[in-house]
Amino acid sequence: NAGVMQNPRHLVRRRGQEARLRCSPMKGHSHVYWYRQLPEEGLKFMVYLQKENIIDESGMPKERFSAEFPKEGPSILRIQQVVRGDSAAYFCASSPSNKEVEQFFGPGTRLTVL
Amino acid sequence: ILNVEQSPQSLHVQEGDSTNFTCSFPSSNFYALHWYRWETAKSPEALFVMTLNGDEKKKGRISATLNTKEGYSYLYIKGSQPEDSATYLCAPNAGNNRKLIWGLGTSLAVNP
Repeated sequence: NAGVMQNPRHLVRRRGQEARLRCSPMKGHSHVYWYRQLPEEGLKFMVYLQKENIIDESGMPKERFSAEFPKEGPSILRIQQVVRGDSAAYFCASSPSNKEVEQFFGPGTRLTVL
Repeated sequence: ILNVEQSPQSLHVQEGDSTNFTCSFPSSNFYALHWYRWETAKSPEALFVMTLNGDEKKKGRISATLNTKEGYSYLYIKGSQPEDSATYLCAPNAGNNRKLIWGLGTSLAVNP
């Protein structure tokens, strides 16, 4: 059973470009979470999704950021018109549909905005 | 919004020492507490999920306790080994949802 997969592992973008980060949850997991770690800071919750639904996006910046978890395929975190302040490590985690269980983390995508 | 505090911020111990760290969180609206271990250049790895006041969990040399009434959890490592060197993070749930609020962690370095 493969773990949580994220790609790319490293992404370099120039200011104003779009960044697409992908997360494939563990097999059988229908819940996906995105976290961001800014330099010298801890993990911050961004968004929680189930298949085709956004459950909690209270940690998402109001503009330029969006997330989806379609019926088929990976979850996508999309950042439009990136700025230097978006440079961070973005982690995805997944969990099965039970009540209160651990979240399994992917290796992260390190985004650098030039 | 929960305010999660972990102490100490960092810790250096010798191989074989036992150690413990603290996670403090608001006791109101408690649902569950997660402990994770995060090694450099890797991703966070779950250690424990604790829900009940008085819970004690153990995995090998690592154990944790939970006090939901006063809002704290302790993580203990018995006989620390160099491979225990990592950042240990706690994260309570904010109410009955899956959103985790993360502490900044305790960075443990075990010297051989």
